[in-house]
Amino acid sequence: SYILTQPPSVSVAPGKTARFTCGGDNIETKSVHWYQQKPGQAPVLVIHHDSDRPSGIPERFSGSNSGNTATLTISRVEAGDEADYYCQVWHAISDHRVFGGGTKLTVL
Amino acid sequence: QLQLQESGPGLVRPSETLSLTCTVSGDSITRTNYYWGWIRQPPGKGLEWIGSISYSGITYSGSTHYNPSLKSRGTVSVDTSKNQFSLRLSSVTAADTAVYYCALEKYDGSGILPPFDLWGQGTLVSVSS
Repeated sequence: SYILTQPPSVSVAPGKTARFTCGGDNIETKSVHWYQQKPGQAPVLVIHHDSDRPSGIPERFSGSNSGNTATLTISRVEAGDEADYYCQVWHAISDHRVFGGGTKLTVL
Repeated sequence: QLQLQESGPGLVRPSETLSLTCTVSGDSITRTNYYWGWIRQPPGKGLEWIGSISYSGITYSGSTHYNPSLKSRGTVSVDTSKNQFSLRLSSVTAADTAVYYCALEKYDGSGILPPFDLWGQGTLVSVSS
């Protein structure tokens, strides 16, 4: 099975840039999606297909994917960005969906 | 607009079968480019995909995929007459205690599976005697 690895936590001061990594074997060959989940709420899609933003998601959210690491970047971090962030891919060989373990963002 | 709503018992006894339903409103569950899925989240833990089902244009049979970690305990099915899809998880243990979400992937024919871009609000299921 395919494994996605995310660091458990990231801390950043307001106004700074937060980066979330998602590691996987040759992940650049897959399309990576990112979700934001606030406490008690369902996940919300913030980036799809590596770097595309759904309508309504601020331009501060961006994504990239290269080699064995995909990255979600939040610029000019705000207190309201505090949440858990999950990466997800489709493992085509098995037709399975895989989530990373999630990274908790703390805004200092 | 399209919405998903989970329903089912909040408490299931160990070794029994967990049954949940997701009601789809705002569109037909027989759309051929839609994949309907279940995802769960144990308290304080991350997201885990359970399984998904898609409509072939004729039938839903043979179009399901499951997380192998479930060890064949899960079944996803569709009731087109009620515009609902369901999850059955057999032989549950305390480890199956989680918030269960139903979700939708809208396939665009590109050959790459899309994200889960619509989620239900989730329902907590506890496994306890």
